Amino acid sequence: DAGVIQSPRHEVTEMGQEVTLRCKPISGHDYLFWYRQTMMRGLELLIYFNNNVPIDDSGMPEDRFSAKMPNASFSTLKIQPSEPRDSAVYFCASSLEGRLAGRQETQYFGPGTRLLVL
Amino acid sequence: GQQVMQIPQYQHVQEGEDFTTYCNSSTTLSNIQWYKQRPGGHPVFLIQLVKSGEVKKQKRLTFQFGEAKKNSSLHITATQTTDVGTYFCAGHRRSNYQLIWGAGTKLIIKP
Repeated sequence: DAGVIQSPRHEVTEMGQEVTLRCKPISGHDYLFWYRQTMMRGLELLIYFNNNVPIDDSGMPEDRFSAKMPNASFSTLKIQPSEPRDSAVYFCASSLEGRLAGRQETQYFGPGTRLLVL
Repeated sequence: GQQVMQIPQYQHVQEGEDFTTYCNSSTTLSNIQWYKQRPGGHPVFLIQLVKSGEVKKQKRLTFQFGEAKKNSSLHITATQTTDVGTYFCAGHRRSNYQLIWGAGTKLIIKP
């Protein structure tokens, strides 16, 4: 298994530009998570999906951020317009449904996208 | 806000010394997971503890889950340079199936 795949691995853009981050979860996984990691705020959960449906987006910082999961094998996180404070590493992770309905098992992380907004 | 507190934020040790990180939750957890993130890398699952008072070992790493299922610890004996990284705990609350992450403890080996 290739694991969770993220693209691009690095992105440098200018303030005001649109940024789209992509994720392919592990095949068969029911849950997909988007995280943001910075030195100041650590690892933050932005949003997660269960069976392609957004369950909790309370971590999405503001309306400039949006996430979609059009099918079980693909998700995007979009920032429009981007700002310098959005500079961070963005991780996508996926997991299986637990044995107990609604439980989430081990999360498998992708390599991350390192975003720098100038 | 943060509902799983993890301390310390950083720990500097000489190679060969022991390292411990602690997690405390304000509410009872159904389980707790531990992850390791190497510098420049991504979090990687280490282990899951489910039972009250459970202790699990992986070579030099010892993981404990408290009797009340509100706290957990990771202890590394005789640290090596390969242990460098940030260790995260993450737990499921009994009342909510969402995974709640600690802030992580960064293990730094003194030169």
